[in-house]
Amino acid sequence: GQQLNQSPQSMFIQEGEDVSMNCTSSSIFNTWLWYKQDPGEGPVLLIALYKAGELTSNGRLTAQFGITRKDSFLNISASIPSDVGIYFCAGRPNNNAGNMLTFGGGTRLMVKP
Amino acid sequence: DSGVTQTPKHLITATGQRVTLRCSPRSGDLSVYWYQQSLDQGLQFLIQYYNGEERAKGNILERFSAQQFPDLHSELNLSSLELGDSALYFCASSVQGNSGNTIYFGEGSWLTVV
Repeated sequence: GQQLNQSPQSMFIQEGEDVSMNCTSSSIFNTWLWYKQDPGEGPVLLIALYKAGELTSNGRLTAQFGITRKDSFLNISASIPSDVGIYFCAGRPNNNAGNMLTFGGGTRLMVKP
Repeated sequence: DSGVTQTPKHLITATGQRVTLRCSPRSGDLSVYWYQQSLDQGLQFLIQYYNGEERAKGNILERFSAQQFPDLHSELNLSSLELGDSALYFCASSVQGNSGNTIYFGEGSWLTVV
C-alpha cells in the first residue's frame, strides 16, 4: 500500500529548542494531517492541511503542505517537556475512494528539561 | 477526549481464540475506521464503514471482520488469533465518509495474545 517516509525516527532535544520533522511520499496527497500520540493514548489531531502551499499554525506548532503535494513538515518552536510523544504525519491519497489515512512511521520526540 | 469510545481498553487472550472489540463513534459521526498499531508496522488502516456499509478496505486479514450497526457503533471481530495479532487497535470516526473530513481517534484497545 501507500507509504509515507517520516523523518527523523527519533529526536532527543533540550527544552527550549526548536524541532522540525517531515514526511515525504512518492505519490500525490490531497490532505496532510499531523497527529501526536502520548503513551497509552490514541493519536490526537494537531494540524490539518488541505491545499498545496498552505501554512498553518497551532500555538507553537507550524505545519506546511508542500507545493508538490508530496511532502509536509511540522515545526515545534521553544519545546517544553509536555511535547514529549510520538508525532505522526498522515496523508490522504489523491485517488482515495473513502476517507482512509496513510500514516508515516512516526517521530519519537524526547525533551530534556 | 476525542468523543470516540472503545472497549475493552485491555484484553489478554490465548492463541486460537476469538475476540470482539467495540467502538462508539463521536455523536453525529457516520463513518467509522479501524486501524491496527503494532511496534514494527506503525498505524495500518484495516477497514472503513459509512452509515452501516463498508466503504473502504485496507490490510485486513480474512480472519478479521467488522460491521457497523444501525446505531452507528462498530465491532471488530478477530478470530483464530495468533501471537502476531498482539497490537493496539484504534477506532476512529468522522462526520462523512468522503475525502476531506477530519478523523478523530479513540484511545485504543490493547490486545495481547499469549
